[in-house]
Amino acid sequence: GQNIDQPTEMTATEGAIVQINCTYQTSGFNGLFWYQQHAGEAPTFLSYNVLDGLEEKGRFSSFLSRSKGYSYLLLKELQMKDSASYLCAVLDSNYQLIWGAGTKLIIKP
Amino acid sequence: GAVVSQHPSRVICKSGTSVKIECRSLDFQATTMFWYRQFPKKSLMLMATSNEGSKATYEQGVEKDKFLINHASLTLSTLTVTSAHPEDSSFYICSARGHWENNEQFFGPGTRLTVL
Repeated sequence: GQNIDQPTEMTATEGAIVQINCTYQTSGFNGLFWYQQHAGEAPTFLSYNVLDGLEEKGRFSSFLSRSKGYSYLLLKELQMKDSASYLCAVLDSNYQLIWGAGTKLIIKP
Repeated sequence: GAVVSQHPSRVICKSGTSVKIECRSLDFQATTMFWYRQFPKKSLMLMATSNEGSKATYEQGVEKDKFLINHASLTLSTLTVTSAHPEDSSFYICSARGHWENNEQFFGPGTRLTVL
């Protein structure tokens, strides 16, 4: 079966750095997405990785290792507004998005 | 980024009535639209995938006659929840995908359905 694992909840301090991990087992791989979702709102796109390595975009970076079935989202200089759920999703061989359950990130002052 | 609108944002209805939710891609042609359902503190659950001009493909366990999907044009898809019951209360989100290299999906703002 297809499976995506990410921690349920994480807590970090404002101004700090946090890394959210995601491991996946899917039938085929056509890319991995990270989305941010605030409570009661739809997901918004953060990053897309299809090749191994690190993609940096401002305070957010995303890493992918296809051989390990592993990705992480790195958030730097955390702000209170970063409190949200972070969803990892893999595009499988049928170009269908397989979603993780999401990681709820709590930022404390 | 591309914009997807969804209407209504909130709807409260009585049990037994039908509710229609619209999803529109405002500035691009959506070759594929997706309908998701999300329960509180849970991840997105794909309900169906629809391509313009063809019948929607439903995920296992999703009742076709209960959740009617129409994708009449490249910019509009509708989801109709027929004979709604309290257990249909949920957050429904649509997304749309165009001809992009990374197959990114753009999400609508979601519709909160409450069935009394």
